[in-house]
Amino acid sequence: AQTVTQSQPEMSVQEAETVTLSCTYDTSENNYYLFWYKQPPSRQMILVIRQEAYKQQNATENRFSVNFQKAAKSFSLKISDSQLGDTAMYFCAFMGDYGNNRLAFGKGNQVVVIP
Amino acid sequence: DAGITQSPRYKITETGRQVTLMCHQTWSHSYMFWYRQDLGHGLRLIYYSAAADITDKGEVPDGYVVSRSKTENFPLTLESATRSQTSVYFCASSDGGNHEQYFGPGTRLTVT
Repeated sequence: AQTVTQSQPEMSVQEAETVTLSCTYDTSENNYYLFWYKQPPSRQMILVIRQEAYKQQNATENRFSVNFQKAAKSFSLKISDSQLGDTAMYFCAFMGDYGNNRLAFGKGNQVVVIP
Repeated sequence: DAGITQSPRYKITETGRQVTLMCHQTWSHSYMFWYRQDLGHGLRLIYYSAAADITDKGEVPDGYVVSRSKTENFPLTLESATRSQTSVYFCASSDGGNHEQYFGPGTRLTVT
C-alpha cells in the first residue's frame, strides 16, 4: 500500500503571508497523480490542486502552487497571500496509475489564518 | 445538478444495530468509494467499486458490507455497529478518465 506522510499537524499564518505544507510519499510506480484537498469547517472535501507525475512543470492554481520533486518523492503546497477562507485541514493524496483510481491520504495539516 | 449526495447526514445508533449509509451520484461515474475519517488518521478507504456488481476491499473493510446493483448507488452497511465505527463517512465517485474523485458531503455516525 502507498503511504503518504504529512508533518506539522497544525500551522498558523498571518493573513496575506505565505505558508508551505510538506508531503512525502512512498511508491514504486513511475506514473501517478498527486492531489491536495482542502477541508474547511463545513467538512466538504474540495480539490485544491493536482499534479501528474509525468509532468515536470509544477502545477499552479491562483494562489496555490506545488513544488513537486519526483526523485525525492516530495509534494509540497504553497499558499500565497493567505486569506481567512484558507483556514482548513489540508490533505495530501496519492493515486497510482494502476490502483483503480484509489486515493491514499496523509493525516492532514490544520492551517489557521490569523487576521 | 445534484452531483453526489449522502444520506443521512447525521446518524446516532446503538451498539449492535445494523445501519446503512446511502450514496447516490448523478454523473454515471464508474468508480465509487467509501472512506472513513478519524482524527489523526486522515481518510482511509473502506471499500470501492469499479463498476456495477464489482466491489473490492480497501484498507479498513472489517465490519462493513457494500453492494452496487446500480451504477449510481453505493450503499455502505454496518451489520452490527461498534463504538469504534463512530466516524465521519465520505462517499466519492470518479469517472476514471481524469483521475479525480468527487466527494459527497459526508455522514457523521455516532455509535453509542
